[in-house]
Amino acid sequence: QSVLTQPPSVSGAPGQRVTISCTGSSSNIGAGYDVHWYQQLPGTAPKLLIYGNSNRPSGVPDRFSGSKSGTSASLAITGLQAEDEADYYCQSYDSSLSGLYVFGTGTKVTVL
Amino acid sequence: EVQLVESGGGLVQPGRSLRLSCAASGFTFDDYAMHWVRQAPGKGLEWVSGISWNSGSIGYADSVKGRFTISRDNAKNSLYLQMNSLRAEDTALYYCAKVSGYDLDDAFDIWGQGTMVTVSS
Repeated sequence: QSVLTQPPSVSGAPGQRVTISCTGSSSNIGAGYDVHWYQQLPGTAPKLLIYGNSNRPSGVPDRFSGSKSGTSASLAITGLQAEDEADYYCQSYDSSLSGLYVFGTGTKVTVL
Repeated sequence: EVQLVESGGGLVQPGRSLRLSCAASGFTFDDYAMHWVRQAPGKGLEWVSGISWNSGSIGYADSVKGRFTISRDNAKNSLYLQMNSLRAEDTALYYCAKVSGYDLDDAFDIWGQGTMVTVSS
């Protein structure tokens, strides 16, 4: 059961900026645990996109950026490109009894 | 090249068992915690289980607690998931994933390609 809530879908035209929200609670994001973002292209394994709330691994374009505030986090994609069409998931650690690691519900990004 | 390769998936009847393996290469396996994450067909990612570098700390999702057992063999650079009393809802693509660092909330920086488990009569 996901405890991080994301919008099911977002869309934008090439070149536009889109944002994806990730809403958690006081036992995960609000407790100060880092948020990470993964990109899953169709038919492939997830790939780490943003780690530690706002850091990009080597090779990830700077069009992708992350932020965190309170019990929520956001992923922004600027200059949207066709190859950005994918599913995106946030993830964090949760200190409640129900689970240790939690993923967001996932967001499908569609490039119009 | 850093790589994780899962194996052991397949079609299994409800109530039966299956053991998944994950072979690691290209990094010092016994330096890092490892995890299993699954994805049911057409659904999102679900964390299943994790194990610390020395097997001293282990955790499970409530959905698999008491049925699944995670283990590792650092001498063989391998991670395992013993799955017992399988249910239809365990049908999913199972990924193994490496943790990027040494903190509890570090990211999963390397993922395998997954092995498919189908539970059906």
